[in-house]
Amino acid sequence: ESVLTQSPGTLSLSPGERATLSCRASQSISNNYLAWYQQKPGQAPRLLIFGAASRATGIPDRFSGSGSGTDFTLTISRLEPEDFAVYYCQHYGSSRGPIFGGGTKVEIK
Amino acid sequence: QVQLVQSGAEVKKPGASVKVSCKASGYTFTTYAIHWVRQAPGQRLEWMGWISAGSGSTKYSQRFQDRVTFSRDTSATTAYMDLSSLRSDDTAVYYCAREEFGGAYPIDAWGQGTLVTVSS
Repeated sequence: ESVLTQSPGTLSLSPGERATLSCRASQSISNNYLAWYQQKPGQAPRLLIFGAASRATGIPDRFSGSGSGTDFTLTISRLEPEDFAVYYCQHYGSSRGPIFGGGTKVEIK
Repeated sequence: QVQLVQSGAEVKKPGASVKVSCKASGYTFTTYAIHWVRQAPGQRLEWMGWISAGSGSTKYSQRFQDRVTFSRDTSATTAYMDLSSLRSDDTAVYYCAREEFGGAYPIDAWGQGTLVTVSS
């Protein structure tokens, strides 16, 4: 079964800085079936990116996704105050069901 | 707009069962699957399984397949998750979430979550 490892566990940055989050899969992900979610305290996750690089409806263009195979990246070009949250990657489209990474917390430095 | 509205928080004793509901609106219920995902305090999201809202077919994670049952009522556009033999480590927020059925799609909408606390 594929495992998703996210790094770093915590990213301490200031508003306006660039955030780069990594998601590594133990097995190659076919068709780039990789999504990214944002979760704020006390809230449900929100879909940001699907297909590794496609933004979901209403997601600002400061969020971008890239990668293929086993290595994927979520980039937030300039952090806004509302972007400080936990981010999860997810492999979908597997017959075994969706798999989530452990999350990266982006906190205010 | 798409909404998934879950039932309220529950407190249960070890060994009991809990049933969580998920009322869908704003889309064609039967063309989507409903996933159930839980999150223990400070932990990652954990997939429990899904139910096709159209056919009622289910797939359960091996970790839960002996204790969980999913069902749905298409007339009420509501899905249900029944978890039995509760233990303290089942304390978590339980989410329902939808995925378009019939292909490889990401989960694109979530319920607000239901906190289930298991304590003697």
